[in-house]
Amino acid sequence: QVQLVQSGAEVMKPGASMQVSCKASGYMFHTYYIHWVRQAPGQGPEWMGRFNPNGGATTYAQKFQGRLTVTGDTSSRTVYMDLSSLTPEDTAVYYCARGELLPLLDFWGQGTLITVSS
Amino acid sequence: DIHMTQSPSSLSASVGDRVSITCRASEKISTFLVWYQQKPGKAPNLLIYGASSLQGGAPSRFSASRSGTEFTLTINSLQPEDFATYYCQQSYRIPYTFGQGTRLEI
Repeated sequence: QVQLVQSGAEVMKPGASMQVSCKASGYMFHTYYIHWVRQAPGQGPEWMGRFNPNGGATTYAQKFQGRLTVTGDTSSRTVYMDLSSLTPEDTAVYYCARGELLPLLDFWGQGTLITVSS
Repeated sequence: DIHMTQSPSSLSASVGDRVSITCRASEKISTFLVWYQQKPGKAPNLLIYGASSLQGGAPSRFSASRSGTEFTLTINSLQPEDFATYYCQQSYRIPYTFGQGTRLEI
């Protein structure tokens, strides 16, 4: 069965960088994009960007340009999301999700809570 | 960015009721509209894509429609497991923005 398993929760200091991993299984890894979506406490989801395992192309929301980097390791079927220069406003649950070029996100990771606090 | 406005922000209903949730896009998005259901502490679950197509595995009591830039999700005969928060998302242009959500309560 399709599964996306994410790394665990972390507490980060302002100004630091974070990384969340997303390990995929149960489907042909190259045939679907991995999208990243975050959700701040009590807020709606926010789309951050996408990664194409077939070639490694990325697309990011303008809001995150310059501090968001998404990479992948096809041998381990794992996608990594790095976000730098953290502020308390980056406190959120971060999700990876399987989709196509468009975000028809049919399978999601369990979410990773990132708390940014001094 | 395309702004998605959902109404109402919360809704109280009973098991067996029929309810509708509206999502309005700030500009034309054709049928590039997706609906998700989210339960507390869980990831969103894809219900509807292409504005009106039911995702495989989603119950047939869920339906959706489009009129211009206004989109409606309808749930017929509410079941206990339907009480959740519902989000629309446009998939027309990056960034793929979500509505603020509609909380459906008993």
